[in-house]
Amino acid sequence: AQSVAQPEDQVNVAEGNPLTVKCTYSVSGNPYLFWYVQYPNRGLQFLLKYITGDNLVKGSYGFEAEFNKSQTSFHLKKPSALVSDSALYFCAVRDAYTDKLIFGTGTRLQVFP
Amino acid sequence: DAGITQSPRHKVTETGTPVTLRCHQTENHRYMYWYRQDPGHGLRLIHYSYGVKDTDKGEVSDGYSVSRSKTEDFLLTLESATSSQTSVYFCAISDRGRSEKLFFGSGTQLSVL
Repeated sequence: AQSVAQPEDQVNVAEGNPLTVKCTYSVSGNPYLFWYVQYPNRGLQFLLKYITGDNLVKGSYGFEAEFNKSQTSFHLKKPSALVSDSALYFCAVRDAYTDKLIFGTGTRLQVFP
Repeated sequence: DAGITQSPRHKVTETGTPVTLRCHQTENHRYMYWYRQDPGHGLRLIHYSYGVKDTDKGEVSDGYSVSRSKTEDFLLTLESATSSQTSVYFCAISDRGRSEKLFFGSGTQLSVL
């Protein structure tokens, strides 16, 4: 079965420091991977996706993600965190059989001033 | 939120009563989805639609039914609400079946007492 795991419930980082939100995946075949962000009292918003090509994917709001096939990971990164980046982040994988998105359990990012 | 309106935004109901949540879109997207969001579970797919009167079950469909009589409206019905259905419900839309990018509504907070 296709799945994604987000091993950290919460990540804390100081403003201006680099941030990483971790995601590992388990799929058969080529993975289609996504990151979404949820701000308080809002729906999820698309950040970026990996389908094929360069292992480093750039997305919205200065975020990027690195696809690592050997480690089956797709970590979300940003060189310099902002307080406004504080939100709930979801990794997702497209199920090759049903074509639907399967979401991880989410990681809450807290950026402190 | 990308032309998606969910109603109501909040609802409190009693166990055993029927409840209908509405999702209305102005994007003319073919695909529509209902998810529920619960702590520790992330987002889980309840039902989805790939066209007018074309619907299918997701991973947590028991106790829920859906209908789509028009492209713009997708209704989620809890036939007899239970406390386990207390959750935040999100509607999402996509213009491609491969669900490479979903647009989400702002959610409905449902409490079943």
